[in-house]
Amino acid sequence: GAVVSQHPSRVICKSGTSVKIECRSLDFQATTMFWYRQFPKKSLMLMATSNEGSKATYEQGVEKDKFLINHASLTLSTLTVTSAHPEDSSFYICSARDPWGTSGRGGVFAEQFFGPGTRLTVL
Amino acid sequence: QKEVEQDPGPLSVPEGAIVSLNCTYSNSAFQYFMWYRQYSRKGPELLMYTYSSGNKEDGRFTAQVDKSSKYISLFIRDSQPSDSATYLCATSSNTGKLIFGQGTTLQVKP
Repeated sequence: GAVVSQHPSRVICKSGTSVKIECRSLDFQATTMFWYRQFPKKSLMLMATSNEGSKATYEQGVEKDKFLINHASLTLSTLTVTSAHPEDSSFYICSARDPWGTSGRGGVFAEQFFGPGTRLTVL
Repeated sequence: QKEVEQDPGPLSVPEGAIVSLNCTYSNSAFQYFMWYRQYSRKGPELLMYTYSSGNKEDGRFTAQVDKSSKYISLFIRDSQPSDSATYLCATSSNTGKLIFGQGTTLQVKP
Protein backbone atom coordinates (compact mmCIF):
# COMPACT_ATOMS: atom_id res chain seq x y z
CA GLY A 1 0.00 0.00 0.00
CA ALA A 2 0.90 3.65 -0.24
CA VAL A 3 3.10 5.21 2.40
CA VAL A 4 2.38 8.29 4.51
CA SER A 5 4.96 9.74 6.86
CA GLN A 6 4.65 12.15 9.74
CA HIS A 7 7.28 14.29 11.36
CA PRO A 8 8.09 14.56 14.17
CA SER A 9 6.97 11.29 15.73
CA ARG A 10 7.11 12.80 19.16
CA VAL A 11 7.37 16.34 20.48
CA ILE A 12 7.45 17.85 23.94
CA CYS A 13 6.98 21.58 24.24
CA LYS A 14 6.29 24.26 26.79
CA SER A 15 2.89 25.80 27.23
CA GLY A 16 2.40 28.80 24.95
CA THR A 17 4.67 27.64 22.15
CA SER A 18 3.59 26.58 18.67
CA VAL A 19 4.27 23.18 17.18
CA LYS A 20 4.22 22.19 13.52
CA ILE A 21 3.51 18.63 12.40
CA GLU A 22 4.18 17.53 8.83
CA CYS A 23 2.30 14.87 6.90
CA ARG A 24 3.73 13.60 3.62
CA SER A 25 2.46 11.14 1.05
CA LEU A 26 5.66 9.48 -0.15
CA ASP A 27 4.66 7.63 -3.28
CA PHE A 28 1.42 9.18 -4.42
CA GLN A 29 -0.19 12.57 -4.83
CA ALA A 30 -2.94 13.40 -2.41
CA THR A 31 -5.34 16.20 -3.17
CA THR A 32 -7.04 15.54 0.13
CA MET A 33 -5.51 14.85 3.51
CA PHE A 34 -7.18 14.51 6.88
CA TRP A 35 -6.09 15.34 10.39
CA TYR A 36 -7.30 13.29 13.35
CA ARG A 37 -6.82 13.47 17.07
CA GLN A 38 -6.82 10.43 19.32
CA PHE A 39 -6.97 10.39 23.10
CA PRO A 40 -5.77 7.32 25.04
CA LYS A 41 -8.07 4.36 24.51
CA LYS A 42 -10.37 6.52 22.43
CA SER A 43 -11.36 6.62 18.83
CA LEU A 44 -9.92 8.79 16.11
CA MET A 45 -11.78 12.08 15.91
CA LEU A 46 -11.61 13.94 12.63
CA MET A 47 -10.39 17.48 13.14
CA ALA A 48 -10.25 18.82 9.63
CA THR A 49 -10.08 18.01 5.95
CA SER A 50 -7.16 19.53 4.11
CA ASN A 51 -7.48 20.20 0.39
CA GLU A 52 -4.49 21.10 -1.73
CA GLY A 53 -4.56 24.73 -2.75
CA SER A 54 -7.59 25.71 -0.72
CA LYS A 55 -8.64 26.34 2.84
CA ALA A 56 -9.13 23.45 5.19
CA THR A 57 -12.59 22.42 6.32
CA TYR A 58 -12.82 22.07 10.08
CA GLU A 59 -15.16 19.84 12.02
CA GLN A 60 -17.59 21.35 14.47
CA GLY A 61 -15.90 22.34 17.70
CA VAL A 62 -12.38 22.50 16.29
CA GLU A 63 -10.80 25.96 16.57
CA LYS A 64 -9.38 26.85 13.18
CA ASP A 65 -7.25 29.65 14.62
CA LYS A 66 -5.65 27.25 17.04
CA PHE A 67 -5.08 24.38 14.64
CA LEU A 68 -3.70 25.89 11.47
CA ILE A 69 -3.63 23.64 8.44
CA ASN A 70 -1.71 24.26 5.25
CA HIS A 71 -1.77 21.96 2.23
CA ALA A 72 0.67 23.67 -0.06
CA SER A 73 1.50 20.76 -2.34
CA LEU A 74 0.06 17.44 -3.44
CA THR A 75 2.36 15.57 -1.08
CA LEU A 76 2.53 17.76 2.02
CA SER A 77 0.07 19.01 4.61
CA THR A 78 1.05 20.67 7.87
CA LEU A 79 -0.81 21.09 11.13
CA THR A 80 0.38 23.87 13.45
CA VAL A 81 -0.86 23.85 17.01
CA THR A 82 -0.60 27.48 18.06
CA SER A 83 -0.10 28.59 21.65
CA ALA A 84 -0.25 25.01 22.82
CA HIS A 85 -1.62 24.18 26.25
CA PRO A 86 -1.54 20.95 28.27
CA GLU A 87 -5.07 20.08 27.12
CA ASP A 88 -3.74 19.96 23.55
CA SER A 89 -1.56 17.00 24.50
CA SER A 90 -2.71 14.12 22.34
CA PHE A 91 -1.84 11.74 19.52
CA TYR A 92 -2.27 13.47 16.16
CA ILE A 93 -2.65 11.31 13.07
CA CYS A 94 -2.91 12.33 9.45
CA SER A 95 -4.20 10.39 6.50
CA ALA A 96 -3.96 10.93 2.79
CA ARG A 97 -6.50 9.88 0.22
CA ASP A 98 -5.09 8.14 -2.83
CA PRO A 99 -7.53 8.96 -5.61
CA TRP A 100 -5.80 6.73 -8.16
CA GLY A 101 -5.03 3.79 -5.93
CA THR A 102 -5.79 0.13 -6.55
CA SER A 103 -8.45 -0.28 -3.88
CA GLY A 104 -11.24 -0.31 -6.43
CA ARG A 105 -12.84 2.65 -4.72
CA GLY A 106 -12.69 6.07 -6.28
CA GLY A 107 -13.63 9.64 -5.63
CA VAL A 108 -14.40 10.52 -2.05
CA PHE A 109 -14.46 6.82 -1.17
CA ALA A 110 -10.89 6.20 -2.29
CA GLU A 111 -8.72 4.59 0.33
CA GLN A 112 -7.08 6.73 2.99
CA PHE A 113 -3.60 5.80 4.13
CA PHE A 114 -2.60 6.78 7.63
CA GLY A 115 0.62 8.19 8.95
CA PRO A 116 2.31 6.74 12.05
CA GLY A 117 1.10 9.58 14.26
CA THR A 118 2.72 12.32 16.32
CA ARG A 119 2.65 12.26 20.09
CA LEU A 120 2.38 15.83 21.40
CA THR A 121 3.04 16.55 25.06
CA VAL A 122 2.59 20.11 26.29
CA LEU A 123 4.14 20.83 29.67
CA GLN B 1 -26.33 8.20 19.97
CA LYS B 2 -22.90 7.76 18.43
CA GLU B 3 -22.85 7.01 14.73
CA VAL B 4 -20.63 3.98 15.24
CA GLU B 5 -20.62 2.02 18.49
CA GLN B 6 -17.94 -0.47 19.45
CA ASP B 7 -17.26 -2.27 22.70
CA PRO B 8 -13.79 -1.12 23.82
CA GLY B 9 -13.03 -4.38 25.60
CA PRO B 10 -10.35 -5.32 26.47
CA LEU B 11 -10.71 -8.77 24.99
CA SER B 12 -8.25 -11.47 25.99
CA VAL B 13 -8.14 -14.84 24.25
CA PRO B 14 -5.73 -17.80 24.12
CA GLU B 15 -3.66 -18.36 21.02
CA GLY B 16 -5.58 -20.27 18.36
CA ALA B 17 -8.99 -19.01 19.44
CA ILE B 18 -11.56 -17.54 17.09
CA VAL B 19 -12.06 -13.84 17.79
CA SER B 20 -15.27 -12.00 17.06
CA LEU B 21 -15.27 -8.21 17.00
CA ASN B 22 -18.45 -6.24 16.44
CA CYS B 23 -19.82 -2.79 15.80
CA THR B 24 -23.19 -1.22 15.22
CA TYR B 25 -23.94 1.90 13.25
CA SER B 26 -26.89 4.21 13.08
CA ASN B 27 -27.07 5.64 9.57
CA SER B 28 -28.59 3.32 7.00
CA ALA B 29 -27.04 5.41 4.21
CA PHE B 30 -23.54 4.19 5.02
CA GLN B 31 -22.23 1.96 2.24
CA TYR B 32 -18.56 1.28 2.93
CA PHE B 33 -17.41 -0.49 6.06
CA MET B 34 -13.81 -0.89 7.11
CA TRP B 35 -11.76 -2.60 9.76
CA TYR B 36 -8.45 -1.09 10.80
CA ARG B 37 -5.76 -2.52 13.04
CA GLN B 38 -3.74 -0.18 15.20
CA TYR B 39 -0.68 -1.20 17.13
CA SER B 40 0.32 0.81 20.17
CA ARG B 41 1.54 4.32 19.29
CA LYS B 42 1.14 3.71 15.57
CA GLY B 43 -1.29 4.85 12.91
CA PRO B 44 -4.16 2.60 11.83
CA GLU B 45 -3.70 0.23 8.91
CA LEU B 46 -6.56 -1.01 6.78
CA LEU B 47 -7.33 -4.70 7.21
CA MET B 48 -10.44 -5.09 5.14
CA TYR B 49 -13.28 -3.18 3.65
CA THR B 50 -16.73 -4.28 2.56
CA TYR B 51 -19.20 -2.56 0.32
CA SER B 52 -22.86 -2.93 1.31
CA SER B 53 -23.94 -6.23 2.83
CA GLY B 54 -22.17 -9.55 2.70
CA ASN B 55 -19.01 -11.35 3.66
CA LYS B 56 -15.42 -10.88 2.64
CA GLU B 57 -12.59 -13.21 3.49
CA ASP B 58 -8.85 -12.61 3.48
CA GLY B 59 -6.72 -15.33 4.97
CA ARG B 60 -7.60 -15.70 8.63
CA PHE B 61 -9.83 -12.63 8.58
CA THR B 62 -13.51 -12.45 7.63
CA ALA B 63 -15.52 -9.23 7.54
CA GLN B 64 -19.28 -9.38 7.64
CA VAL B 65 -21.89 -6.66 7.16
CA ASP B 66 -25.59 -7.02 7.90
CA LYS B 67 -27.25 -3.83 6.74
CA SER B 68 -30.68 -4.94 7.91
CA SER B 69 -29.49 -4.88 11.51
CA LYS B 70 -26.75 -2.26 10.98
CA TYR B 71 -24.19 -4.68 12.36
CA ILE B 72 -20.62 -5.22 11.22
CA SER B 73 -18.27 -7.95 12.38
CA LEU B 74 -14.69 -9.06 12.03
CA PHE B 75 -13.73 -12.66 12.70
CA ILE B 76 -10.14 -13.75 13.23
CA ARG B 77 -9.43 -17.46 12.97
CA ASP B 78 -6.45 -19.17 14.58
CA SER B 79 -5.56 -16.00 16.44
CA GLN B 80 -1.86 -15.31 17.01
CA PRO B 81 -0.05 -13.19 19.61
CA SER B 82 0.91 -10.88 16.74
CA ASP B 83 -2.80 -10.12 16.31
CA SER B 84 -2.73 -8.31 19.66
CA ALA B 85 -3.69 -4.74 18.82
CA THR B 86 -6.62 -2.35 18.81
CA TYR B 87 -9.19 -3.02 16.11
CA LEU B 88 -11.24 -0.10 14.86
CA CYS B 89 -14.34 -0.40 12.78
CA ALA B 90 -15.18 2.51 10.51
CA THR B 91 -17.72 3.56 8.00
CA SER B 92 -17.68 6.22 5.35
CA SER B 93 -20.14 9.05 5.09
CA ASN B 94 -21.39 10.19 1.70
CA THR B 95 -18.64 12.83 1.67
CA GLY B 96 -15.96 10.20 2.18
CA LYS B 97 -15.23 11.11 5.78
CA LEU B 98 -14.35 8.15 7.97
CA ILE B 99 -16.35 7.65 11.14
CA PHE B 100 -14.62 5.38 13.61
CA GLY B 101 -15.81 3.24 16.44
CA GLN B 102 -14.02 3.48 19.75
CA GLY B 103 -11.79 0.51 19.02
CA THR B 104 -11.54 -2.88 20.75
CA THR B 105 -8.27 -3.82 22.40
CA LEU B 106 -7.42 -7.44 21.74
CA GLN B 107 -4.78 -9.48 23.52
CA VAL B 108 -3.91 -12.95 22.29
CA LYS B 109 -2.01 -14.88 24.93
CA PRO B 110 0.56 -17.52 23.91
